[in-house]
Amino acid sequence: NAGVMQNPRHLVRRRGQEARLRCSPMKGHSHVYWYRQLPEEGLKFMVYLQKENIIDESGMPKERFSAEFPKEGPSILRIQQVVRGDSAAYFCASSHPTGVEKLFFGSGTQLSVL
Amino acid sequence: QKEVEQNSGPLSVPEGAIASLNCTYSDRGSQSFFWYRQYSGKSPELIMFIYSNGDKEDGRFTAQLNKASQYVSLLIRDSQPSDSATYLCAVNGETDSWGKFQFGAGTQVVVTP
Repeated sequence: NAGVMQNPRHLVRRRGQEARLRCSPMKGHSHVYWYRQLPEEGLKFMVYLQKENIIDESGMPKERFSAEFPKEGPSILRIQQVVRGDSAAYFCASSHPTGVEKLFFGSGTQLSVL
Repeated sequence: QKEVEQNSGPLSVPEGAIASLNCTYSDRGSQSFFWYRQYSGKSPELIMFIYSNGDKEDGRFTAQLNKASQYVSLLIRDSQPSDSATYLCAVNGETDSWGKFQFGAGTQVVVTP
């Protein structure tokens, strides 16, 4: 049973470009979460999604960031017009409907903005 | 602003000894508490969760919760070099949606042979 799959593992973008981060949850998991980890800081919650629904986006920056979890396919975290401050590790996690409090994390995408 | 505080360490522990990690949280209504282990450059891995006051044991790990003091701890018995990692405390607040955790910055543990 594959774990949470994230790609790409590393992503390099120049300022002003768009970054798309993908996350496929574990089999049977319908809840997806995105977290961001800055150097020397803890993980910060960004957004919680279920299929075709955003449940809680209280941690998402108001501009440039968006997330989706379509009926088919992976969850996507999209960052438009990236800036250097967006450089961080972005982790996706998923949970099963019967154990929503147990999050399983993917390996993360390290975003570097030049 | 909800906060979760941990000593950053590093906490140096001789092999075979007990490692004791502490975490305090500011949201008095918090209900769920989790400990994750994160190796350098890797993803966080759930090792323990606790909901009720008292102790919860799982193998070499014991989580302790004191809601009155807003304090949760993790003990690692018979520490092994493979336990060397950063340990993250995570708290789910009373009004938080499931999966929305406040994470501490983590305590780095170094187990020395």
